[in-house]
Amino acid sequence: DGGITQSPKYLFRKEGQNVTLSCEQNLNHDAMYWYRQDPGQGLRLIYYSQIVNDFQKGDIAEGYSVSREKKESFPLTVTSAQKNPTAFYLCASKIPGPKNIQYFGAGTRLSVL
Amino acid sequence: KQEVTQIPAALSVPEGENLVLNCSFTDSAIYNLQWFRQDPGKGLTSLLLIQSSQREQTSGRLNASLDKSSGRSTLYIAASQPGDSATYLCAAFSGGYNKLIFGAGTRLAVHP
Repeated sequence: DGGITQSPKYLFRKEGQNVTLSCEQNLNHDAMYWYRQDPGQGLRLIYYSQIVNDFQKGDIAEGYSVSREKKESFPLTVTSAQKNPTAFYLCASKIPGPKNIQYFGAGTRLSVL
Repeated sequence: KQEVTQIPAALSVPEGENLVLNCSFTDSAIYNLQWFRQDPGKGLTSLLLIQSSQREQTSGRLNASLDKSSGRSTLYIAASQPGDSATYLCAAFSGGYNKLIFGAGTRLAVHP
């Protein structure tokens, strides 16, 4: 089945710890995105990547880092610099073309211990 | 700066009602507008996408309209069912921002 796989589904972070959220897609999409969703709010863009070995900051990149070494994978690291990391994190990829149609993974819920 | 607002924030209706969810955006220079469904603790599923040149799109019991001049879109759900219970998000895409701008969503509960 083609799709976007996010893991783990739930993640807990201790204070001062870096944690990495996984996002893998087998849709052969070039562009991938990371969003953060807080209760009662819309999605906010953290980072995006248009192509392998390239990525750009979104609106709320502080305290996060990403890499894009393979087309299929776009992991997000939540660093200790992110003081309020508790949120629902969604990864998406985009089909080629100007319409910006994005497909989303099932999400990872990150909580602080 | 593009801002997207959804009203109401929450809605509870009895089964069978027709209902309208509202989405407004501040910058009318959009390329398209999408409506998504999100079940609790899940990702987003695209429901309808309306190009800027279109007025509406239909899929089954769902109909989405777009009025760029007034900065509004509506999602009409006919004959609502308990299975329609979810959060519905709208998102505007414009080339100038090169990203989707999301509203906060409308949480819909349809009770039997």
